[in-house]
Amino acid sequence: DQQVKQNSPSLSVQEGRISILNCDYTNSMFDYFLWYKKYPAEGPTFLISISSIKDKNEDGRFTVFLNKSAKHLSLHIVPSQPGDSAVYFCAATGTYKYIFGTGTRLKVLA
Amino acid sequence: DTGVSQNPRHKITKRGQNVTFRCDPISEHNRLYWYRQTLGQGPEFLTYFQNEAQLEKSRLLSDRFSAERPKGSFSTLEIQRTEQGDSAMYLCASSLNRGLEYGYTFGSGTRLTVV
Repeated sequence: DQQVKQNSPSLSVQEGRISILNCDYTNSMFDYFLWYKKYPAEGPTFLISISSIKDKNEDGRFTVFLNKSAKHLSLHIVPSQPGDSAVYFCAATGTYKYIFGTGTRLKVLA
Repeated sequence: DTGVSQNPRHKITKRGQNVTFRCDPISEHNRLYWYRQTLGQGPEFLTYFQNEAQLEKSRLLSDRFSAERPKGSFSTLEIQRTEQGDSAMYLCASSLNRGLEYGYTFGSGTRLTVV
């Protein structure tokens, strides 16, 4: 039972354009949703989060949108930079443990 | 703040051997977590410590797995009688006792290969 799903395993975007990464979930009891970024040979790094009572949270070039009725969230990166190339995981939580999706590999082309 | 440190970075072991991994969390963090990540998957929760108390163990953590956090500082994860299915990246993370929206800090992981 995969409660958090990232259906796109990979995404390529031109430098300077918008990157949109998507995530779907099934459990309406989740309180927070988070995005992590992972470079090869490193652990995941926390990027941004959103509370279930909000529909948008912005931090610099990164914006997360939450659509509770659709049980869907997305991460927008504008403008995309080559250094953003990494695997992005969405995660959801209602307690101290996070449930992660399978990740989307983003490649930003120079 | 030197981050979360995990040792060793890589471990290759023969099936049936025991292995032990160490995690040193960020010093003021009282929460510590172990996750496991296999190829093509996201990290999966294994266990959680609040100070020295192990508060939850996932069903993924079979009887061959044991984790400790003596004195609420570093933690060890031991796998006995390793199997090929144990091959994975083992990630440790730590956090302060605060809101879930702040995330945790992960270490770089220990990659285990069972041959």
